[in-house]
Amino acid sequence: GAGVSQSPSNKVTEKGKDVELRCDPISGHTALYWYRQSLGQGLEFLIYFQGNSAPDKSGLPSDRFSAERTGGSVSTLTIQRTQQEDSAVYLCASSLRTSGAYEQYFGPGTRLTVT
Amino acid sequence: DAKTTQPPSMDCAEGRAANLPCNHSTISGNEYVYWYRQIHSQGPQYIIHGLKNNETNEMASLIITEDRKSSTLILPHATLRDTAVYYCIVRPDNTDKLIFGTGTRLQVFP
Repeated sequence: GAGVSQSPSNKVTEKGKDVELRCDPISGHTALYWYRQSLGQGLEFLIYFQGNSAPDKSGLPSDRFSAERTGGSVSTLTIQRTQQEDSAVYLCASSLRTSGAYEQYFGPGTRLTVT
Repeated sequence: DAKTTQPPSMDCAEGRAANLPCNHSTISGNEYVYWYRQIHSQGPQYIIHGLKNNETNEMASLIITEDRKSSTLILPHATLRDTAVYYCIVRPDNTDKLIFGTGTRLQVFP
């Protein structure tokens, strides 16, 4: 079946502009995660949605970052007033969360470049 | 959260077993050990996970020491396509986020 998809695959924007990144999770997956990976670095957790519960926003680096998940499916990560340090690959993952252990399925990512 | 320590890089000859170690000396009883890998320019891919017992699937085997303070991921017959960064992650069962470290860059050579 279809995996996690993200769009756009690449985004170049000027410093100070706002950007929106989209994630389509695997159908039926109740949990959705956003991570980012800066050049040569490991993955950094940003935000997590589970069903109708309040999202875990503990990883968002500043109030310029926000995310929403509409209808329990598609999610949008918004970065306002982008800065050069926001340049990174933004990865989305989803999971069919059950108790105990479960795997997260990652999308291919959106490469954001802020000039 | 328990932290993990992995060697930054390893080499392995094609066709041989690749044994990737991971130390997680502060792991607690309700924390799972997960392994993911990331092939260049792709999103991470789940490999395997375990709690106490050794595990095996079609991709790899996971050996966890009896005290659970370390584990080893085994790729029994490495291929060139296994060249990737391998991440060992310990996840408490009261959180859903994965905390990625810097991983081990495995290079499989012909």
